[in-house]
Amino acid sequence: GQNIDQPTEMTATEGAIVQINCTYQTSGFNGLFWYQQHAGEAPTFLSYNVLDGLEEKGRFSSFLSRSKGYSYLLLKELQMKDSASYLCAVLDSNYQLIWGAGTKLIIKP
Amino acid sequence: EPEVTQTPSHQVTQMGQEVILRCVPISNHLYFYWYRQILGQKVEFLVSFYNNEISEKSEIFDDQFSVERPDGSNFTLKIRSTKLEDSAMYFCASRAGTGHTDTQYFGPGTRLTVL
Repeated sequence: GQNIDQPTEMTATEGAIVQINCTYQTSGFNGLFWYQQHAGEAPTFLSYNVLDGLEEKGRFSSFLSRSKGYSYLLLKELQMKDSASYLCAVLDSNYQLIWGAGTKLIIKP
Repeated sequence: EPEVTQTPSHQVTQMGQEVILRCVPISNHLYFYWYRQILGQKVEFLVSFYNNEISEKSEIFDDQFSVERPDGSNFTLKIRSTKLEDSAMYFCASRAGTGHTDTQYFGPGTRLTVL
């Protein structure tokens, strides 16, 4: 079967750094996406990794290790507006997105 | 910046009624998707659409569901006879189709409530 695991919830402090992990077992792999989703809103694209290593985009970075079936999203200089759910999704062998349940990130002042 | 739009933002219907959810994908995008997200649960794939036909569909997408691209801009999801468990957010997404792995962009969603 296909499985994507993320922590259900994380709490961090404004201005700090947080790392959200994602592990996956899927039928094939054509890349991994991170999306941000505020409550009641649509997922918005954050990053895409298909090769091993770190991709940096401003305050957000995403890392992938294909051999370990592992990715993380790193958020620096946390702001209150970063409070949201962060969704890990893998593009499988059929080029379908398989979604994790999301990690709810709570930022405290 | 171009974006996916969806109407209505909220839809309340009685069990057994038909609903049509509408989406306008980003212009020049070639691949279209419908997803649903039951409150507090993960996003679930329903169907993908390319070249005026369904390319993939999930187990959820049974005979009660259908999709259509009636003209050059709209992409619709029809639920023929709604059930209580169809209550969810329904998201439309589109991607350019320049490569298999290009990004899917999501619309704001339609919140469907079945009473």
